Amino acid sequence: DTEVTQTPKHLVMGMTNKKSLKCEQHMGHRAMYWYKQKAKKPPELMFVYSYEKLSINESVPSRFSPECPNSSLLNLHLHALQPEDSALYLCASSQEPGTAYEQYFGPGTRLTVT
Amino acid sequence: GQQVMQIPQYQHVQEGEDFTTYCNSSTTLSNIQWYKQRPGGHPVFLIQLVKSGEVKKQKRLTFQFGEAKKNSSLHITATQTTDVGTYFCAGRRETSYDKVIFGPGTSLSVIP
Repeated sequence: DTEVTQTPKHLVMGMTNKKSLKCEQHMGHRAMYWYKQKAKKPPELMFVYSYEKLSINESVPSRFSPECPNSSLLNLHLHALQPEDSALYLCASSQEPGTAYEQYFGPGTRLTVT
Repeated sequence: GQQVMQIPQYQHVQEGEDFTTYCNSSTTLSNIQWYKQRPGGHPVFLIQLVKSGEVKKQKRLTFQFGEAKKNSSLHITATQTTDVGTYFCAGRRETSYDKVIFGPGTSLSVIP
């Protein structure tokens, strides 16, 4: 199984809502990532988890809260988002932390904040 | 900070023509990865280059890593409509072990 799955595929939420994005991989990968991608732009790193511990937080606003419950799951909790947070949120994983390893991306969650 | 640049931003080619995208970094890279993202899709890993001057081929795709490890290129021979998408290079940030910086991408359109 070389797949990263993400749910939901689409999400529309108001600025006062609380929602969560979910990501799962069963490849035994020990690094997992959250990226944000705006239209016609490259993926922008938000968080990196290495061996279930947060290793990188790219100065992401606190309205985004990541969680890694176990080695296969990664969540992104959303609260009080702004319309400019609307984007494609991509989850990725790699065999180990470190840039020597290819990243496997999930299909993404397309988020619209109204 | 480290920057990764790509040119051109967009390229429209007739099917059968060749295509090249160039990736340049302001600092030396430990390695470089290339990803392809189809319209409406997600990035898919193509290849990784590690050694100075390295050249790798995948069918019609040829990847090069510069001698100074600051630039890279992806060349597609005889493009097909299946090559449509955005090609991103991604290099390691000098101050971070487990982070890659994505270039802005080159969007390829192929006219049948």
